[in-house]
Amino acid sequence: AQSVTQPDIHITVSEGASLELRCNYSYGATPYLFWYVQSPGQGLQLLLKYFSGDTLVQGIKGFEAEFKRSQSSFNLRKPSVHWSDAAEYFCAVGAPNAGNMLTFGGGTRLMVKP
Amino acid sequence: DSGVTQTPKHLITATGQRVTLRCSPRSGDLSVYWYQQSLDQGLQFLIQYYNGEERAKGNILERFSAQQFPDLHSELNLSSLELGDSALYFCASSVVDSQQFFGPGTRLTVL
Repeated sequence: AQSVTQPDIHITVSEGASLELRCNYSYGATPYLFWYVQSPGQGLQLLLKYFSGDTLVQGIKGFEAEFKRSQSSFNLRKPSVHWSDAAEYFCAVGAPNAGNMLTFGGGTRLMVKP
Repeated sequence: DSGVTQTPKHLITATGQRVTLRCSPRSGDLSVYWYQQSLDQGLQFLIQYYNGEERAKGNILERFSAQQFPDLHSELNLSSLELGDSALYFCASSVVDSQQFFGPGTRLTVL
C-alpha cells in the first residue's frame, strides 16, 4: 500500500526567506506525485505534479519540487516566501494504473513572519 | 475555479440522519473521486467512479455509498450519521488517470 509522510507539522519562516517542505513516500513502482495547497476554509489547489521525465518540476506561484527516487522524496521548495504563502501544504502520491486514487500526507502548516 | 462544483457548501444535521452530497465534474472528465478531510484522519480517499462504474474503493464506511449518473455527476450518500462523520468532503474529477481537480468541498456538521 502506498503512504506519504510529511515530517514537519508546522513550519514558520520569515517573509523573503527560502522554504523547503519535506515529503517522503512509499510506493512499489514509480508513482505520480503531487503538491497541493489549502488556504483556510478553501479547497485544494494543485501547485505542481510529477508523472515522469525531468525530476525537477516547476509549479505555480514560484514553487518547485524535486523527485529523488533513491530517497523516495519529493520535497517542495520556494526561494523567497511571501506572506500570502501561509497555508497548509499537502504532498500526495497517486497510483498509476489503479485509478490514480491519491494518498495524502498529514500536511504541513506554513506560517510566515513579517 | 477548478470547474468542479459541489453542493451544498455547508450542511448541518443531527445524528442518525441521512444526507446526500452532490458533485458535478469538469466538462469532459469521466472520473470522479470522493475524499474526506477530518481532524482525526486527515485527507482520505473514499471512492472513485469512472463513467458510471465504481473503479476503486478506499476507507469508505458501509453507511456511506456513492453513485455516478449518466450525465457524470456524482452523489455521496451518508446515512446513520455519527458525530465523527463531521468533516469536509471533497469531490475531484479527472480525465482517466491524471491530474485531479478538486471542488470547494462540502462541510458537514453532525450535531
